[in-house]
Parts: sequence; structure tokens; C-alpha cells
Amino acid sequence: NAGVMQNPRHLVRRRGQEARLRCSPMKGHSHVYWYRQLPEEGLKFMVYLQKENIIDESGMPKERFSAEFPKEGPSILRIQQVVRGDSAAYFCASSPSSGGTQYFGPGTRLTVL
Amino acid sequence: KQEVTQIPAALSVPEGENLVLNCSFTDSAIYNLQWFRQDPGKGLTSLLLIQSSQREQTSGRLNASLDKSSGRSTLYIAASQPGDSATYLCAALHNTNAGKSTFGDGTTLTVKP
Repeated sequence: NAGVMQNPRHLVRRRGQEARLRCSPMKGHSHVYWYRQLPEEGLKFMVYLQKENIIDESGMPKERFSAEFPKEGPSILRIQQVVRGDSAAYFCASSPSSGGTQYFGPGTRLTVL
Repeated sequence: KQEVTQIPAALSVPEGENLVLNCSFTDSAIYNLQWFRQDPGKGLTSLLLIQSSQREQTSGRLNASLDKSSGRSTLYIAASQPGDSATYLCAALHNTNAGKSTFGDGTTLTVKP
């Protein structure tokens, strides 16, 4: 059973471009969580999704950021018009149930030039 | 607002020593508490999850305890090894509907041979 997969592992964007980060949860997991780890800072919750639904997006910046988890395919975290402050490691986790153990992917390291 | 604190921020011990990592949280209304390890430049590996109704969980040389009333959890590592060197993070899950976890900033452990 493959673990949580994230791609790309490294992403470089210039200011103003769009970044799309993908997360494939573990098989059988329908709960996905996105976290951001800024340089020299801890992990911060961004959004919690179940299939086709956003359950909690209280950690998402109000502008430029969006997330989805469609019925088919991976979860996508989309950042429009990236700025240098968006440079961070973005981690995705999945769980088989609400409140269950969260299993993390290896992360996508976004660098904005 | 939940706040999670981990003390100490860094710890260095000789190989073979038993050690305790501390995690405190301000809001005792948690659903569960999870301990992770993070190696440099890598994702998070789940170590132990303690449900709010439990007092402790054990896995190999690791033992995690939870005292909701005092807002504390500890991770005990027995007979430490150089391979245990990593950053250890605790995360408090607020409630199952939201799925939001608050992470501490971690304790960076170095086990010297």
C-alpha cells in the first residue's frame, strides 16, 4: 500500500505565476489535510477536505489560495499570483476517518523567485 | 485558541540514555494527540496517537502519555540511539468535525554515539 504521494517534490515559480500542488492520499483514505511549514517555523494547518467537500479552511489565506479534492483524482492546492512569502514546504496528510491517524506525504518545497 | 508548546526546543544526549520530551496544550478539549518525527528535509512520520480517553500508548522503545486535565503529554524514549536523532513534533486534534490539528514547534533531538 503506497503512502501519501505529493508532486512535484520541488517547484520553482516566479512572482505572479501560479503554483499547483498535488496530493494523492493513501488507498482507502477519503480525508485530506494540507499544512504549510515556513522556513524556521512550525507546521500550520491550512485546510481539511473530504471527497468533494471542504470541511475546514480556517487556516487558508483569504486570497490567492484554494484547495479541492475531486471525486476522482488527487487533491490540489492552488496558489495564484505567488509572492516570495509563499516560499515554504507544503505537506499533505490523509486519514481513513475523521480523527484518525494522519499519514504525511514527503512535501512539496515551493520556491518563489 | 489552542496553543501547543514543546520544551525543550533542543536536546542532546549520549547514546543509551532514556529521555522525555514534553508537550503542553492550552485547550484540554482535544479529540486526540499525535506524536511525529521529522527528519531534515523530509516529511513527518507518525509515531503514536493517543485518543482523549486513553492515558498512554506504547510502540517499541517509545511510550507516550496523555494527561488532559493538566494539558500535558510526554514522549518517553528508552535506550536512545543515534538513529533517533530528529525533530519530534506533537499535534493536538481539536475535534473530529473540523479535523484541525495544532502543532508544537518541535524538539530537535541529537543522540551522540
